[in-house]
Amino acid sequence: EAGVVQSPRYKIIEKKQPVAFWCNPISGHNTLYWYRQNLGQGPELLIRYENEEAVDDSQLPKDRFSAERLKGVDSTLKIQPAELGDSAVYLCASSVQYNEQFFGPGTRLTVL
Amino acid sequence: SQQGEEDPQALSIQEGENATMNCSYKTSINNLQWYRQNSGRGLVHLILIRSNEREKHSGRLRVTLDTSKKSSSLLITASRAADTASYFCAGNSGNTPLVFGKGTRLSVIA
Repeated sequence: EAGVVQSPRYKIIEKKQPVAFWCNPISGHNTLYWYRQNLGQGPELLIRYENEEAVDDSQLPKDRFSAERLKGVDSTLKIQPAELGDSAVYLCASSVQYNEQFFGPGTRLTVL
Repeated sequence: SQQGEEDPQALSIQEGENATMNCSYKTSINNLQWYRQNSGRGLVHLILIRSNEREKHSGRLRVTLDTSKKSSSLLITASRAADTASYFCAGNSGNTPLVFGKGTRLSVIA
């Protein structure tokens, strides 16, 4: 069984540029999560989807961050414009309802 | 949401020794989950213990849960260099999201 797929694995951009991350969850997993993880910290939830619906986006900085999961499968997380403080690892995870989560390898973003 | 707080922040042991990590949380949970994260990788689910369970085993892992103290412990027996990683706990209360603490960074020295 394929795991959670994320791309790209690494991204380096200059501040004020846009950036997008893509996630393909495990087949059949209706719940999808985007996390941000800073160095030395645990993952911080940005947004959680149940199928196509965003059910928890309270931690998503909505002035610059957006996410979508149009067909209830793949998801995209976008930052526009990026700031220096956005440098982090962005993790995608999926689960069946609220059971154990399966994480992708993450995208390491560096904003210069 | 249920934040797990891991203790200690860092732990260094010799290969073959046992490693014990602790987790505390604040309110009622349905289950508590432990995850491992190797450097530069995503988190990997290790074990889930339900609120009506007190102890659970999986291979070299032993997890305990004390709901009266709102705490859990993860024991790794006969540690190996490959166990070097960060370990996170998080409590689940139904449809609320997991909230991870800073984790315990375990170093197993060969």
